[in-house]
Amino acid sequence: GENVEQHPSTLSVQEGDSAVIKCTYSDSASNYFPWYKQELGKRPQLIIDIRSNVGEKKDQRIAVTLNKTAKHFSLHITETQPEDSAVYFCAASDGNKLVFGAGTILRVKS
Amino acid sequence: DTEVTQTPKHLVMGMTNKKSLKCEQHMGHRAMYWYKQKAKKPPELMFVYSYEKLSINESVPSRFSPECPNSSLLNLHLHALQPEDSALYLCASSQVGTDQETQYFGPGTRLLVL
Repeated sequence: GENVEQHPSTLSVQEGDSAVIKCTYSDSASNYFPWYKQELGKRPQLIIDIRSNVGEKKDQRIAVTLNKTAKHFSLHITETQPEDSAVYFCAASDGNKLVFGAGTILRVKS
Repeated sequence: DTEVTQTPKHLVMGMTNKKSLKCEQHMGHRAMYWYKQKAKKPPELMFVYSYEKLSINESVPSRFSPECPNSSLLNLHLHALQPEDSALYLCASSQVGTDQETQYFGPGTRLLVL
């Protein structure tokens, strides 16, 4: 089955800096890659997603890139703000179910 | 309505109790999911319902029993749970079909088994 690895496990950045979180997946059949943000005590919220026919997608300060050949995808957050502090999960899906990475705790220091 | 709702928010139960978790969505989604999430861990898939039929059971112990009475509702019946079952139980829903599988999560039920 699918296995998703996520790095780093924790990331501390200064407010205004960029943050990058990387994930690799194992199943070449996976074709959908969402990113979820989960604040303490809250539900996971979809922040951006990308499908396998696209290499990059951007939404304001957030972007995701996908390299299908290398089976990895990354989340880029620019101009980080304190409210970006949360746990971020990547996931991969072949259309049947989502498999999540272990998560990255992002701390934005002001 | 673009939300998935779950009740109760919190639940404390003994190991001999029977309780149920409820999930509701009115987005017209025909796939619904139960996940279990332990602290500082990712959500772990338990069950998937597609068109009100159970399509995936991730080898979940029989003390967890899912039910999908209609396309908007999903229940999880709990019986004879163990303390290690204490966790956040998340419900999610999505469309069915290619390019439609974005999952939207409910706020979860925080379960404590004593």
